[in-house]
Formats: sequence, C-alpha cells, structure tokens
Amino acid sequence: SAVISQKPSRDICQRGTSLTIQCQVDSQVTMMFWYRQQPGQSLTLIATANQGSEATYESGFVIDKFPISRPNLTFSTLTVSNMSPEDSSIYLCSVGPYRDEQFFGPGTRLTVL
Amino acid sequence: SQKIEQNSEALNIQEGKTATLTCNYTNYSPAYLQWYRQDPGRGPVFLLLIRENEKEKRKERLKVTFDTTLKQSLFHITASQPADSATYLCALGGSGYALNFGKGTSLLVTP
Repeated sequence: SAVISQKPSRDICQRGTSLTIQCQVDSQVTMMFWYRQQPGQSLTLIATANQGSEATYESGFVIDKFPISRPNLTFSTLTVSNMSPEDSSIYLCSVGPYRDEQFFGPGTRLTVL
Repeated sequence: SQKIEQNSEALNIQEGKTATLTCNYTNYSPAYLQWYRQDPGRGPVFLLLIRENEKEKRKERLKVTFDTTLKQSLFHITASQPADSATYLCALGGSGYALNFGKGTSLLVTP
C-alpha cells in the first residue's frame, strides 16, 4: 500500500496567479498521476508523471498551464498557472497500481476568485 | 466518445437493506472495472476490481458484477450500515494505468 499526502489541503487564490501543489508518497513509486475533480464532475486525468521523463498530458491539458515536476520516486508537484475561476477544483495525485489498486491523496481544494 | 454513466440521483436506503449501484458505459471496451468510495473532503479509496473475463467478485459485504455484453457493472452492498454512506465511483481501465471515472453515486443509509 501507499500513503500519500498533499500540500496545501486547500487554498483560495486570485485570478492570474499560480499555485504549486505538492504530492509526497511514503514509498518509492514509478508512476504518479494527477487528476482534477470539478464540482459535480468525475475525476479527470490531467497527466502521468514518471520519474526521469517528461510528463504525459491528456487531451485538453497542456504543459504551459499545468507544469509538472517529478524530481524523485516519492515526490511530484503540479502547478496550476495563470489561474481563472474555471480552475476551481479539487486536484488529486495518485499512485499505482499495487495489485490492481490505485491509491489517492486527500486532494487539494482550490478556489480561484 | 467514451461515456460512463452512474445513477445521477442520490440513493437513499434503510439500514440493513441491500444497496445496488449501477455503472453503464458506451464506446469503451475496458480490460477491467474498479469501484471506489469517496467521502467528503477525501480522495477515493479503492474497493474492488473486476476484470473483463470475470462475471462476479465479492469482498465481505460487497459484490460486483460485470456484464460486457450489456456494458454494465452492478455494485451491491448487503446489510448496509449508516457508515456506508458515501459517494461511490466506478472507474474503467484499459491497457495503460490511467482510469476513466464516472461522476459517482451518492448513497445515504439511514438508521
């Protein structure tokens, strides 16, 4: 199993600014994923972050808007750049699979004013 | 385009009854399907996985069925308890590790 922590747990930001979300895992993992969960919507995969390589972004998400770092096997960051109210969402990191399971962090609740 | 649909309305049931949640999908041939539980302010927690060649899987009070012809999965919680109240998400997986999630169904179990 894996225990995942995220920082910050929540934040309120002004439009046009950027926020960096941190994801820390208690064990070394190869693959980390970043998801977004907008109000009333399903979780949507933003990108897959593998250590030592560029993140792979899903359709509709670009590196300039959501740059990701993966400096080692236990840590990753997601930056939400030049924020607008439409970026208000919960952002979750996850790792896996471990015997078919994916483990999720508690999420970062972002509100953009 | 791929679509995953779960009961949009909240499901309210009485303690002790069986809760049945539905997950339907279109334009998709998943290799496996997962069910997660999500409590307010928390990330999803994995419950069960069922593969395309499996019809049914059980874990304690939970049972999942998977019908690839109907493109449907049913998730059952027997002898439901108020502590089972949460949002339940189905997620479909393919050859990679990324998951496609439904919007979830809110379950409320009342004493």
